[in-house]
Amino acid sequence: KAGVTQTPRYLIKTRGQQVTLSCSPISGHRSVSWYQQTPGQGLQFLFEYFSETQRNKGNFPGRFSGRQFSNSRSEMNVSTLELGDSALYLCASSLGLSTDEQYFGPGTRLTVT
Amino acid sequence: AQKVTQAQTEISVVEKEDVTLDCVYETRDTTYYLFWYKQPPSGELVFLIRRNSFDEQNEISGRYSWNFQKSTSSFNFTITASQVVDSAVYFCALSEEGNTPLVFGKGTRLSVIA
Repeated sequence: KAGVTQTPRYLIKTRGQQVTLSCSPISGHRSVSWYQQTPGQGLQFLFEYFSETQRNKGNFPGRFSGRQFSNSRSEMNVSTLELGDSALYLCASSLGLSTDEQYFGPGTRLTVT
Repeated sequence: AQKVTQAQTEISVVEKEDVTLDCVYETRDTTYYLFWYKQPPSGELVFLIRRNSFDEQNEISGRYSWNFQKSTSSFNFTITASQVVDSAVYFCALSEEGNTPLVFGKGTRLSVIA
């Protein structure tokens, strides 16, 4: 079974621009969660989607948004990029419950200059 | 609120030594789940184990073992006869029942030296 895939793997953007990251979950998984990982803050939860509905949202500004499609694929968008948004963005998929095992993709490394 | 503490920021051991990574958690729920993940230099988090709060039996998987003690709110991870390939950052995480998000500790960076 194919694992979680994320595209692109690396991205360099300029302050003020916007960016869209994509995540394809493991086949049959209906829940997708997004995390931001930085050296200072560690792994922080962004949001979780289940059956196209946002089920949970972390403590991030409204510039961070996401969505899930009917095939469970998910995208997250960050508008008006700031230098502090530079991070590794990880996507994880699970069968359905937040307490299920979450399987992570390789991440998208975003650098904002 | 749920919280996970991994007090050891970095550990360095010589190959074949045993090493224990500590994890202490806080939760008000009686039903919760604990996890360990491994993050090698490639960056992808690899799932290692999931344990629910009602199962305090220790778990062994090859060279890996986990010790869950509710009395001390700890879920420690031991690697026996460590190998260079075990070098990674290890994260402990907690999820409460009710579809709350996974909360991670800060991680412990393990370096195994040949």
